[in-house]
Amino acid sequence: RKEVEQDPGPFNVPEGATVAFNCTYSNSASQSFFWYRQDCRKEPKLLMSVYSSGNEDGRFTAQLNRASQYISLLIRDSKLSDSATYLCVVNRDGNNRLAFGKGNQVVVIP
Amino acid sequence: DVKVTQSSRYLVKRTGEKVFLECVQDMDHENMFWYRQDPGLGLRLIYFSYDVKMKEKGDIPEGYSVSREKKERFSLILESASTNQTSMYLCASSLQGAIYGYTFGSGTRLTVV
Repeated sequence: RKEVEQDPGPFNVPEGATVAFNCTYSNSASQSFFWYRQDCRKEPKLLMSVYSSGNEDGRFTAQLNRASQYISLLIRDSKLSDSATYLCVVNRDGNNRLAFGKGNQVVVIP
Repeated sequence: DVKVTQSSRYLVKRTGEKVFLECVQDMDHENMFWYRQDPGLGLRLIYFSYDVKMKEKGDIPEGYSVSREKKERFSLILESASTNQTSMYLCASSLQGAIYGYTFGSGTRLTVV
């Protein structure tokens, strides 16, 4: 089983709509979880950390389900500028290394 | 504004050349990492370092080496560049424990011809 699995998509989303996607992770001992955003031909940038209680940052909501070992990201009221690849990231060894999923590609359509 | 700086944005090298990719961070981070990213394969860890003069192999270290002589600088070396090393190379750094995630440099797109 891969460390982090994501459905690559693309997820074609009408502007203003809501889109949600999950990723699953294999290491039940993982303690740190993140969503990164990567624009085409750019470096990944931290979008948000994911906490056990779930957290929200504007139009973005992240949830963690430890029992089923998945995290989710929901984007409300999608903007054209939200078009990007969203990488699910989980710590690998309880210390310093992170495992990156291959990303969910989101395309917001006017 | 804190940052991770990679020395070159684009680089073209010939097969067999020795290639140096430099990365500098100004955040006093303990950890530094080198990844390569290829379409369909995602980010793959080449080498990482927890401290000065320390290095650990990642998932795909073959054909690469690294050097960390100073805390802020982590260099990736391609001993003898080959065409299958054409890729986007990303440097990252983090605090100990990576509890705040990584900060990435803007990447070096290396083409080996």
